[in-house]
Amino acid sequence: TQLLEQSPQFLSIQEGENLTVYCNSSSVFSSLQWYRQEPGEGPVLLVTVVTGGEVKKLKRLTFQFGDARKDSSLHITAAQPGDTGLYLCAGAPYYGQNFVFGPGTRLSVLP
Amino acid sequence: EAGVAQSPRYKIIEKRQSVAFWCNPISGHATLYWYQQILGQGPKLLIQFQNNGVVDDSQLPKDRFSAERLKGVDSTLKIQPAKLEDSAVYLCASSLGVRGARGYTFGSGTRLTVV
Repeated sequence: TQLLEQSPQFLSIQEGENLTVYCNSSSVFSSLQWYRQEPGEGPVLLVTVVTGGEVKKLKRLTFQFGDARKDSSLHITAAQPGDTGLYLCAGAPYYGQNFVFGPGTRLSVLP
Repeated sequence: EAGVAQSPRYKIIEKRQSVAFWCNPISGHATLYWYQQILGQGPKLLIQFQNNGVVDDSQLPKDRFSAERLKGVDSTLKIQPAKLEDSAVYLCASSLGVRGARGYTFGSGTRLTVV
């Protein structure tokens, strides 16, 4: 059973465009993390969100945790080729439980 | 700070053979995890160690997979005998806390191909 769904599965855009990817679940999460995984490497943590409605910014990346803590979005402004990778969300069902990963959104930013 | 070290980077074996992967976590990280990432999917937790004790191995196929962390530092994951469906990237991660609330630090992984 897939607790987390991510959409779109694949996304290919031109450099300079904006994009949003989504992470959804029917379950409530105590906290949620976003990772970026480049080809041949392990995932790298981008952000952790813990409060419903929370918005965090990391340079050109904006992360939002849904009010009900069931969903999250990642918005990238003016995408660059260096943003290319697999974006994974991971949610902790309850405080103190391990995070479960979604299947990821594979982003390709073309120069 | 040195990252999570894994070896080998790539391994190709025939089905029914055995294989072992090694991981050295970040110094000071008491919690170590092994994940399996099949192509097109997110990482799936296989086993979690806290120091040298197993915390969670509920998704480890124990008939063929085994893991140990004898001295509470580095760890080995073994598959014996391997099946075609074991082809995946095996990722090792470590964290400061028990459940990764501050995030997991992953190694680069071992890409296993079973033919």
